[in-house]
Amino acid sequence: DSGVTQTPKHLITATGQRVTLRCSPRSGDLSVYWYQQSLDQGLQFLIQYYNGEERAKGNILERFSAQQFPDLHSELNLSSLELGDSALYFCASSQGAGTGELFFGEGSRLTVL
Amino acid sequence: EDKVVQSPLSLVVHEGDTVTLNCSYEVTNFRSLLWYKQEKKAPTFLFMLTSSGIEKKSGRLSSILDKKELFSILNITATQTGDSAVYLCAVEPWTAGGGADGLTFGKGTHLIIQP
Repeated sequence: DSGVTQTPKHLITATGQRVTLRCSPRSGDLSVYWYQQSLDQGLQFLIQYYNGEERAKGNILERFSAQQFPDLHSELNLSSLELGDSALYFCASSQGAGTGELFFGEGSRLTVL
Repeated sequence: EDKVVQSPLSLVVHEGDTVTLNCSYEVTNFRSLLWYKQEKKAPTFLFMLTSSGIEKKSGRLSSILDKKELFSILNITATQTGDSAVYLCAVEPWTAGGGADGLTFGKGTHLIIQP
């Protein structure tokens, strides 16, 4: 158990809908990262927050947004969902602003029908 | 754009064999290279390498980085069925502001250890 909690574990929704994925980092970790894993693309970095502020941005679509709250939990919002958004979404955390050793949650499996 | 290429994509060996997994990379402003193991769901951290030629070891696993040739290898000796997993290589660049950026992962090597 990495100490990173993600909810929900599984989510099935329809195209055009909006969903919110939630992540609680390990106790004491200030950085939260979001990654998308699909069969063809592998693990893709989406976005990083450090102590409430956006720190780095990767291949995140404009339809996706994230935030980190004062209690350091984070949410990833996915809107206008398309079939291609079906993937495993991972949250990871680390103590500092640099990455290095990341602790990954178990992921949220999103299926868009 | 940062790039990580792992080979082979899949590998099937027998218990007790030694395996070598390869990772080559291109990254602007290299900070570190990392190896992760992904069994069922969450990747778990194995090694972080920043300096060339220095081997990192943990039990039967070891890894080394060659910054001149831009590659790393992960060795697993005396393999066990519990080593079956996807092994992911990732690179971490420095940002212009001096901090680190998100990791760029390779597609992984799917390792299967047969009894």
